[in-house]
Amino acid sequence: RKEVEQDPGPFNVPEGATVAFNCTYSNSASQSFFWYRQDCRKEPKLLMSVYSSGNEDGRFTAQLNRASQYISLLIRDSKLSDSATYLCVRGTGGFKTIFGAGTRLFVKA
Amino acid sequence: DAGVIQSPRHEVTEMGQEVTLRCKPISGHDYLFWYRQTMMRGLELLIYFNNNVPIDDSGMPEDRFSAKMPNASFSTLKIQPSEPRDSAVYFCASSRGTSLNEKLFFGSGTQLSVL
Repeated sequence: RKEVEQDPGPFNVPEGATVAFNCTYSNSASQSFFWYRQDCRKEPKLLMSVYSSGNEDGRFTAQLNRASQYISLLIRDSKLSDSATYLCVRGTGGFKTIFGAGTRLFVKA
Repeated sequence: DAGVIQSPRHEVTEMGQEVTLRCKPISGHDYLFWYRQTMMRGLELLIYFNNNVPIDDSGMPEDRFSAKMPNASFSTLKIQPSEPRDSAVYFCASSRGTSLNEKLFFGSGTQLSVL
């Protein structure tokens, strides 16, 4: 089993839609989680950290479920500019980070 | 703030040649990471440094790969000899590393093609 697993998609949604991605991880000792965004032919950039209590940043909400070992990202009111690949990331401690393969999102007009 | 600077942006070489990728981290960042990204394997951590010292190189695929960080502002990833399966985008990233939630800042990457 991969350390971090994501549905590769692609997710094709219309503008204004709500879309959610899940990511599962295999190591219950994982301490920190993140969502990164990567545009085509660009470098990954941090979208948001994921806390046990959940966190929200505008249209984006991230949740962590330690019991089931998954994290989620919810995007409300999708914009064309949200089209990208979303990478689930877990920190293993010692600053080593493991990236998932990514979920591709296409938002259509 | 200049960000993480990588060079070259693109490298095309022939199998068997030596390839050197370069990275300048953000000033003040104590951690430097080298990643490789391919369609098949996604983003893989190759090696990372803390205060110029290699901490974990377990991701380095084989002896053909080596990385150095002679000072706080410069790192290299070398492949010798290169093979077609090394073709990928190589990213360098840095972070302050003051907490586990410290974000990674990535460079623009080097697109390597080995013919």
